[in-house]
Amino acid sequence: QKEVEQDPGPLSVPEGAIVSLNCTYSNSAFQYFMWYRQYSRKGPELLMYTYSSGNKEDGRFTAQVDKSSKYISLFIRDSQPSDSATYLCAMRPYSFNKFYFGSGTKLNVKP
Amino acid sequence: DAGVTQSPTHLIKTRGQQVTLRCSPKSGHDTVSWYQQALGQGPQFIFQYYEEEERQRGNFPDRFSGHQFPNYSSELNVNALLLGDSALYLCASSLAPGTGGVVDIQYFGAGTRLSVL
Repeated sequence: QKEVEQDPGPLSVPEGAIVSLNCTYSNSAFQYFMWYRQYSRKGPELLMYTYSSGNKEDGRFTAQVDKSSKYISLFIRDSQPSDSATYLCAMRPYSFNKFYFGSGTKLNVKP
Repeated sequence: DAGVTQSPTHLIKTRGQQVTLRCSPKSGHDTVSWYQQALGQGPQFIFQYYEEEERQRGNFPDRFSGHQFPNYSSELNVNALLLGDSALYLCASSLAPGTGGVVDIQYFGAGTRLSVL
């Protein structure tokens, strides 16, 4: 069993839709949670960063962490064609600077 | 302000050969991490360098080795290449723990795409 599970998609939505991306994990020691966006043939770009449980909002993006369920989510409001990319979740324990990534969800926002 | 730069962009090698990949961190960063990303997969942590020493290592064999230079740039070396080593190799830089930076903000380069034939 992988430590971080993520539905690979692809997920196809119309422009303006609300997108929900999710990851589950098995290691209860994970404390830091991140979402990265990766365009084709590019390196991952950090979108959101949260510590422990709770919500965090940044513009059209909202990240949620539910540690009791070992489940994290990224919501994208008013999705745009430019949001079409692969979204990677990542996490790490408090005391070790080693990151664990999900396999990524490919998102396609249709005009 | 230059971000993380990696070279070369693409590389083709044959089985058994050795390869060296290079990374220059973002200005002001002193910690470099290397990842392997196979097609359709998320990045897998190889190792991390800080103060010219390997600080953390993932589940990769000793064929994978690295180095960090005094200017914080880094190299990833892979010996005795296998077909399964074909992947995108990503370098990420960040500030070291305890320096006042947010250690989790890793900035990635565009990667080196390695093909092993």
